[in-house]
Amino acid sequence: GAVVSQHPSWVICKSGTSVKIECRSLDFQATTMFWYRQFPKQSLMLMATSNEGSKATYEQGVEKDKFLINHASLTLSTLTVTSAHPEDSSFYICSARSNNEQFFGPGTRLTVL
Amino acid sequence: AQKITQTQPGMFVQEKEAVTLDCTYDTSDPSYGLFWYKQPSSGEMIFLIYQGSYDQQNATEGRYSLNFQKARKSANLVISASQLGDSAMYFCSGSNTGKLIFGQGTTLQVKP
Repeated sequence: GAVVSQHPSWVICKSGTSVKIECRSLDFQATTMFWYRQFPKQSLMLMATSNEGSKATYEQGVEKDKFLINHASLTLSTLTVTSAHPEDSSFYICSARSNNEQFFGPGTRLTVL
Repeated sequence: AQKITQTQPGMFVQEKEAVTLDCTYDTSDPSYGLFWYKQPSSGEMIFLIYQGSYDQQNATEGRYSLNFQKARKSANLVISASQLGDSAMYFCSGSNTGKLIFGQGTTLQVKP
């Protein structure tokens, strides 16, 4: 199956800083990628749909100015958590769609101190 | 809007026995897909099985089978011959617009 990578796999940052998470499709092109957020022992909550060459579509309740998404190429989408606070600490997972299948990245664990 | 419901927060099963994880969905669209994923403690999402709304037969993949009852809007996952490595969180998810929406998840523990 197709491979999706995320970088970094974990990050610890100070409150008020911004953190960028990369999601790459390694062996296929993905016009659409998705960003999810998962708190411990909870479900994956869809944050936004990232479309190559256009603005991301955010789910209700997700602040677009807080979570900046850029999908500059067919293999890369980035999520930037701006001015991170402890409540932003979570597991962030991306997925990429290829031929009606979705492939998930390994996730990025963000801890904001 | 689509909604996926998993009502079992946690389940135990004895090694080598079968277990059924429940999932119900709510959608008004005639065409949709239902998926099951396994998430071990490492966090990776592992695809297990897929059922399309128009599929006539229940999907099977090795020890995994999907008990799809369209009239009841249920898509339960059956794991046969449970193994210790099956201990993980399991998510049912649905898609009708390309977006995957997930249920609350069920934590399965396999006892030796």
